[in-house]
Amino acid sequence: AQSVTQLDSQVPVFEEAPVELRCNYSSSVSVYLFWYVQYPNQGLQLLLKYLSGSTLVESINGFEAEFNKSQTSFHLRKPSVHISDTAEYFCAVSVRGGSEKLVFGKGTKLTVNP
Amino acid sequence: GAVVSQHPSRVICKSGTSVKIECRSLDFQATTMFWYRQFPKQSLMLMATSNEGSKATYEQGVEKDKFLINHASLTLSTLTVTSAHPEDSSFYICSARGGGPYGYTFGSGTRLTVV
Repeated sequence: AQSVTQLDSQVPVFEEAPVELRCNYSSSVSVYLFWYVQYPNQGLQLLLKYLSGSTLVESINGFEAEFNKSQTSFHLRKPSVHISDTAEYFCAVSVRGGSEKLVFGKGTKLTVNP
Repeated sequence: GAVVSQHPSRVICKSGTSVKIECRSLDFQATTMFWYRQFPKQSLMLMATSNEGSKATYEQGVEKDKFLINHASLTLSTLTVTSAHPEDSSFYICSARGGGPYGYTFGSGTRLTVV
Protein backbone atom coordinates (compact mmCIF):
# COMPACT_ATOMS: atom_id res chain seq x y z
CA ALA A 1 0.00 0.00 0.00
CA GLN A 2 1.06 3.56 -0.60
CA SER A 3 1.27 6.31 1.97
CA VAL A 4 2.11 10.00 1.90
CA THR A 5 3.62 12.01 4.70
CA GLN A 6 3.50 15.77 4.80
CA LEU A 7 5.76 16.63 7.66
CA ASP A 8 4.43 20.10 8.36
CA SER A 9 0.77 20.65 9.14
CA GLN A 10 1.19 24.44 9.14
CA VAL A 11 3.75 26.70 7.52
CA PRO A 12 3.58 30.44 8.20
CA VAL A 13 5.76 32.71 6.07
CA PHE A 14 6.02 36.36 5.20
CA GLU A 15 5.15 37.70 1.78
CA GLU A 16 7.97 37.48 -0.77
CA ALA A 17 9.84 34.90 1.31
CA PRO A 18 10.73 31.50 -0.13
CA VAL A 19 8.84 28.43 1.02
CA GLU A 20 9.23 24.67 0.89
CA LEU A 21 6.42 22.25 1.68
CA ARG A 22 7.72 18.80 2.32
CA CYS A 23 6.26 15.56 1.02
CA ASN A 24 7.58 12.03 1.39
CA TYR A 25 5.93 8.91 0.12
CA SER A 26 6.16 5.21 0.67
CA SER A 27 5.52 2.67 -2.06
CA SER A 28 6.92 -0.64 -3.20
CA VAL A 29 6.06 0.15 -6.81
CA SER A 30 6.52 3.11 -9.11
CA VAL A 31 4.13 5.98 -8.57
CA TYR A 32 2.89 9.18 -10.10
CA LEU A 33 3.11 12.23 -7.85
CA PHE A 34 0.84 15.23 -7.53
CA TRP A 35 0.44 18.48 -5.64
CA TYR A 36 -3.02 19.94 -5.22
CA VAL A 37 -4.11 23.25 -3.71
CA GLN A 38 -7.38 23.79 -1.87
CA TYR A 39 -8.86 27.17 -1.03
CA PRO A 40 -11.45 27.39 1.79
CA ASN A 41 -14.68 25.53 1.08
CA GLN A 42 -13.56 24.58 -2.40
CA GLY A 43 -12.45 21.47 -4.19
CA LEU A 44 -8.88 20.70 -5.15
CA GLN A 45 -7.00 22.23 -8.03
CA LEU A 46 -4.04 20.49 -9.61
CA LEU A 47 -0.87 22.48 -9.07
CA LEU A 48 1.60 20.17 -10.78
CA LYS A 49 2.32 16.52 -11.38
CA TYR A 50 5.21 14.20 -12.07
CA LEU A 51 4.49 11.35 -14.45
CA SER A 52 7.86 10.71 -16.08
CA GLY A 53 10.82 12.49 -17.65
CA SER A 54 12.42 15.49 -16.00
CA THR A 55 12.33 15.20 -12.25
CA LEU A 56 11.74 18.94 -11.88
CA VAL A 57 8.21 20.03 -12.67
CA GLU A 58 6.84 23.54 -12.64
CA SER A 59 3.44 25.16 -12.36
CA ILE A 60 2.25 28.28 -14.13
CA ASN A 61 2.17 30.31 -10.92
CA GLY A 62 5.78 29.89 -9.88
CA PHE A 63 5.67 26.68 -7.84
CA GLU A 64 8.01 23.82 -8.61
CA ALA A 65 8.57 20.36 -7.22
CA GLU A 66 11.37 17.89 -7.65
CA PHE A 67 10.98 14.14 -7.64
CA ASN A 68 13.78 12.50 -5.70
CA LYS A 69 13.52 8.75 -6.01
CA SER A 70 16.32 7.91 -3.62
CA GLN A 71 14.78 10.03 -0.88
CA THR A 72 11.20 9.20 -1.92
CA SER A 73 10.37 12.86 -1.77
CA PHE A 74 8.44 15.36 -3.85
CA HIS A 75 8.91 18.67 -2.05
CA LEU A 76 7.08 21.77 -3.28
CA ARG A 77 8.92 25.07 -3.48
CA LYS A 78 8.32 28.66 -4.43
CA PRO A 79 11.07 31.31 -4.34
CA SER A 80 8.75 34.20 -3.45
CA VAL A 81 5.23 33.75 -2.11
CA HIS A 82 2.24 36.05 -2.33
CA ILE A 83 -0.67 36.61 0.03
CA SER A 84 -2.86 34.83 -2.52
CA ASP A 85 -0.85 31.63 -2.07
CA THR A 86 -2.45 31.16 1.34
CA ALA A 87 -4.24 27.81 1.08
CA GLU A 88 -4.07 24.14 1.98
CA TYR A 89 -1.65 22.07 -0.08
CA PHE A 90 -1.98 18.33 -0.53
CA CYS A 91 0.59 15.92 -1.86
CA ALA A 92 -0.76 12.75 -3.46
CA VAL A 93 0.42 9.58 -5.17
CA SER A 94 -1.10 6.96 -7.40
CA VAL A 95 0.33 3.68 -8.59
CA ARG A 96 1.66 3.49 -12.13
CA GLY A 97 -0.63 1.26 -14.11
CA GLY A 98 -2.77 0.70 -11.06
CA SER A 99 -6.33 1.50 -10.04
CA GLU A 100 -5.89 5.26 -10.51
CA LYS A 101 -6.81 5.92 -6.90
CA LEU A 102 -5.13 8.91 -5.34
CA VAL A 103 -3.69 8.59 -1.86
CA PHE A 104 -3.37 11.94 -0.16
CA GLY A 105 -1.17 13.30 2.58
CA LYS A 106 -2.78 15.14 5.47
CA GLY A 107 -2.11 18.51 3.95
CA THR A 108 -0.05 21.57 4.82
CA LYS A 109 -1.71 24.85 5.59
CA LEU A 110 0.40 27.63 4.07
CA THR A 111 -0.29 31.05 5.53
CA VAL A 112 1.39 34.03 3.91
CA ASN A 113 1.50 37.07 6.13
CA PRO A 114 2.07 40.67 5.00
CA GLY B 1 -10.02 23.14 -19.48
CA ALA B 2 -11.83 20.26 -17.85
CA VAL B 3 -14.59 21.27 -15.45
CA VAL B 4 -16.47 19.22 -12.89
CA SER B 5 -19.63 20.72 -11.45
CA GLN B 6 -20.76 19.54 -8.03
CA HIS B 7 -24.14 20.41 -6.51
CA PRO B 8 -25.28 21.46 -4.05
CA SER B 9 -22.38 23.36 -2.53
CA ARG B 10 -24.04 23.39 0.86
CA VAL B 11 -26.94 21.42 2.31
CA ILE B 12 -28.49 21.19 5.73
CA CYS B 13 -30.80 18.30 6.39
CA LYS B 14 -32.62 16.76 9.29
CA SER B 15 -31.42 13.58 10.87
CA GLY B 16 -33.02 10.55 9.23
CA THR B 17 -33.50 12.12 5.80
CA SER B 18 -31.57 11.39 2.61
CA VAL B 19 -29.44 13.79 0.63
CA LYS B 20 -28.31 13.49 -2.99
CA ILE B 21 -25.12 15.11 -4.27
CA GLU B 22 -24.49 15.40 -8.00
CA CYS B 23 -21.19 15.43 -9.80
CA ARG B 24 -21.11 16.33 -13.50
CA SER B 25 -18.24 16.51 -15.95
CA LEU B 26 -19.17 19.45 -18.16
CA ASP B 27 -16.83 19.24 -21.13
CA PHE B 28 -15.47 15.72 -21.12
CA GLN B 29 -16.66 12.20 -20.59
CA ALA B 30 -15.72 10.57 -17.34
CA THR B 31 -15.93 6.80 -17.23
CA THR B 32 -14.53 6.87 -13.72
CA MET B 33 -15.41 9.21 -10.89
CA PHE B 34 -14.24 9.19 -7.31
CA TRP B 35 -16.00 10.27 -4.13
CA TYR B 36 -14.01 11.59 -1.18
CA ARG B 37 -14.87 12.69 2.31
CA GLN B 38 -12.89 15.35 4.11
CA PHE B 39 -13.06 15.97 7.83
CA PRO B 40 -12.11 19.39 9.23
CA LYS B 41 -8.41 20.07 8.96
CA GLN B 42 -7.77 16.59 7.59
CA SER B 43 -6.99 15.00 4.29
CA LEU B 44 -9.32 13.49 1.75
CA MET B 45 -10.38 9.92 2.32
CA LEU B 46 -11.49 7.99 -0.72
CA MET B 47 -14.94 6.54 -0.17
CA ALA B 48 -15.62 4.83 -3.47
CA THR B 49 -14.77 4.60 -7.13
CA SER B 50 -17.69 5.03 -9.47
CA ASN B 51 -17.62 3.43 -12.92
CA GLU B 52 -20.16 4.27 -15.59
CA GLY B 53 -22.65 1.49 -16.08
CA SER B 54 -21.42 -0.72 -13.27
CA LYS B 55 -21.48 -0.95 -9.51
CA ALA B 56 -19.27 1.31 -7.49
CA THR B 57 -16.23 -0.04 -5.70
CA TYR B 58 -16.25 0.97 -2.05
CA GLU B 59 -13.24 1.38 0.18
CA GLN B 60 -12.94 -0.72 3.27
CA GLY B 61 -15.08 0.58 6.09
CA VAL B 62 -17.48 2.56 3.90
CA GLU B 63 -21.09 1.44 4.21
CA LYS B 64 -22.50 0.68 0.76
CA ASP B 65 -26.10 0.91 1.90
CA LYS B 66 -25.57 4.25 3.52
CA PHE B 67 -23.61 5.92 0.74
CA LEU B 68 -25.36 4.99 -2.51
CA ILE B 69 -23.45 5.79 -5.65
CA ASN B 70 -24.93 5.82 -9.13
CA HIS B 71 -22.99 6.50 -12.32
CA ALA B 72 -25.70 6.26 -14.94
CA SER B 73 -24.02 8.25 -17.69
CA LEU B 74 -20.58 9.31 -18.82
CA THR B 75 -21.08 12.77 -17.36
CA LEU B 76 -22.99 12.21 -14.15
CA SER B 77 -22.37 10.43 -10.88
CA THR B 78 -24.49 10.85 -7.77
CA LEU B 79 -23.85 10.16 -4.11
CA THR B 80 -26.89 9.68 -1.88
CA VAL B 81 -26.38 9.77 1.86
CA THR B 82 -29.29 7.74 3.19
CA SER B 83 -30.80 8.14 6.64
CA ALA B 84 -28.27 10.82 7.45
CA HIS B 85 -27.05 11.32 10.99
CA PRO B 86 -25.00 14.13 12.54
CA GLU B 87 -21.84 12.05 12.26
CA ASP B 88 -22.28 12.09 8.47
CA SER B 89 -21.73 15.84 8.50
CA SER B 90 -18.65 16.46 6.44
CA PHE B 91 -17.25 17.95 3.24
CA TYR B 92 -17.79 15.62 0.29
CA ILE B 93 -15.77 16.06 -2.89
CA CYS B 94 -16.03 14.27 -6.21
CA SER B 95 -13.34 13.84 -8.79
CA ALA B 96 -13.51 12.77 -12.40
CA ARG B 97 -10.85 10.96 -14.32
CA GLY B 98 -10.23 12.92 -17.48
CA GLY B 99 -9.14 16.23 -18.86
CA GLY B 100 -5.68 15.20 -20.00
CA PRO B 101 -3.01 12.59 -19.33
CA TYR B 102 -3.56 11.20 -15.87
CA GLY B 103 -5.78 14.15 -15.14
CA TYR B 104 -8.11 14.26 -12.20
CA THR B 105 -10.55 17.14 -12.06
CA PHE B 106 -12.21 17.88 -8.75
CA GLY B 107 -15.60 19.33 -8.02
CA SER B 108 -15.94 22.27 -5.67
CA GLY B 109 -17.26 20.12 -2.85
CA THR B 110 -20.47 19.84 -0.85
CA ARG B 111 -20.69 20.86 2.80
CA LEU B 112 -23.26 18.56 4.40
CA THR B 113 -24.62 19.42 7.83
CA VAL B 114 -27.04 17.01 9.48
CA VAL B 115 -29.02 18.49 12.36
